[in-house]
Amino acid sequence: DTGVSQNPRHKITKRGQNVTFRCDPISEHNRLYWYRQTLGQGPEFLTYFQNEAQLEKSRLLSDRFSAERPKGSFSTLEIQRTEQGDSAMYLCASSLSDRAYEQYFGPGTRLTVT
Amino acid sequence: QKEVEQDPGPLSVPEGAIVSLNCTYSNSAFQYFMWYRQYSRKGPELLMYTYSSGNKEDGRFTAQVDKSSKYISLFIRDSQPSDSATYLCAMSRSGSGTYKYIFGTGTRLKVLA
Repeated sequence: DTGVSQNPRHKITKRGQNVTFRCDPISEHNRLYWYRQTLGQGPEFLTYFQNEAQLEKSRLLSDRFSAERPKGSFSTLEIQRTEQGDSAMYLCASSLSDRAYEQYFGPGTRLTVT
Repeated sequence: QKEVEQDPGPLSVPEGAIVSLNCTYSNSAFQYFMWYRQYSRKGPELLMYTYSSGNKEDGRFTAQVDKSSKYISLFIRDSQPSDSATYLCAMSRSGSGTYKYIFGTGTRLKVLA
């Protein structure tokens, strides 16, 4: 399968714990995006990388959130000191830089904070 | 007011019907218009994208953009039960802002066998 993959698919954690999600983009894609989707809403942009450089972070991305793409391939999204309001689906997408209108999404990681 | 408005549905139609899904938007800078299909608890799947105004057809799907009215549509012909999903529209600017999608809330579609 050459699509975008995300792990884990589902994470349940207690409030205050740290969690980390991984995204593996389509191999030739140099752009990688993170979105958050809550029930009944469309995805909301969080941040994106071009190769290993993080070029933009949304105001939605509080100080408790950090994302990395160390070698320009896979990316991780870490949430520290989770809160119940962090419960959502975290989606990763990838694209070529000159085809940013053609983003392909992974299956998402569903986070439940209890 | 949200930048992109989409009726959440649900929209129920009989199998074989023509489905019309719509979004309106307020930002005239949007140039790229995308439609995604999302099955329950899955990631969005890109169906089509359109640049600026006009129509685009791909199999049973047709996307239309009317920039003068700030209105976009997705038509599904000969709808099937397997088309039952949430359909999301997304929009972005051209140039350096193309990556920054603004999504609608999605319309839930049910195609009844």
